[in-house]
Amino acid sequence: GAVVSQHPSWVICKSGTSVKIECRSLDFQATTMFWYRQFPKQSLMLMATSNEGSKATYEQGVEKDKFLINHASLTLSTLTVTSAHPEDSSFYICSAHEFTGLGVNQPQHFGDGTRLSIL
Amino acid sequence: AQKITQTQPGMFVQEKEAVTLDCTYDTSDQSYGLFWYKQPSSGEMIFLIYQGSYDEQNATEGRYSLNFQKARKSANLVISASQLGDSAMYFCAMREGGGSDSNYQLIWGAGTKLIIKP
Repeated sequence: GAVVSQHPSWVICKSGTSVKIECRSLDFQATTMFWYRQFPKQSLMLMATSNEGSKATYEQGVEKDKFLINHASLTLSTLTVTSAHPEDSSFYICSAHEFTGLGVNQPQHFGDGTRLSIL
Repeated sequence: AQKITQTQPGMFVQEKEAVTLDCTYDTSDQSYGLFWYKQPSSGEMIFLIYQGSYDEQNATEGRYSLNFQKARKSANLVISASQLGDSAMYFCAMREGGGSDSNYQLIWGAGTKLIIKP
């Protein structure tokens, strides 16, 4: 089945540093990738939609300059949390949509998530 | 208004019993898809089952089945013969069929935490 690799799975860093999270589709081409943030015991909150070769579409309330998204190829999207602060600590998870022409039928394939802790 | 509603924040079920997790949805689209995902404590999202709005039969995948009642706009997940490993968060999600600008986004419910008791 379709596999999405997300790296790193866990990161702890000091306040003020930038953190890059990678999301790779290993055996399919992902025309669209999604970045979510999840707080404990809550549902997934969509941060942005990333389309290969174009600018990401951010959801309302998500700071574009804070959460930089790059989708430079059909298999890789990156999320960079710039100048991270403790309030950015969260679980970040990516998913990828494989375009097959089946439209609404296709499930999103998820990475295993990244637990980010900012000290 | 909530597009996906999961009314059960948590459920305790005895091992080997069947369990039904509720999900109701709201959309004006004729074409849409409904998905269930499982999220164990480790965090990964595991796709379980899919139901299309035009599918006439309820979807089934092993011990999982989807009780799709279109007129009621409900898509409940049924897990038969529950196992300890079924303990997890379960999310219902919907993708609305759109026009050419559809980004295949999923709309998520709040989730139900299922705990299977031995």
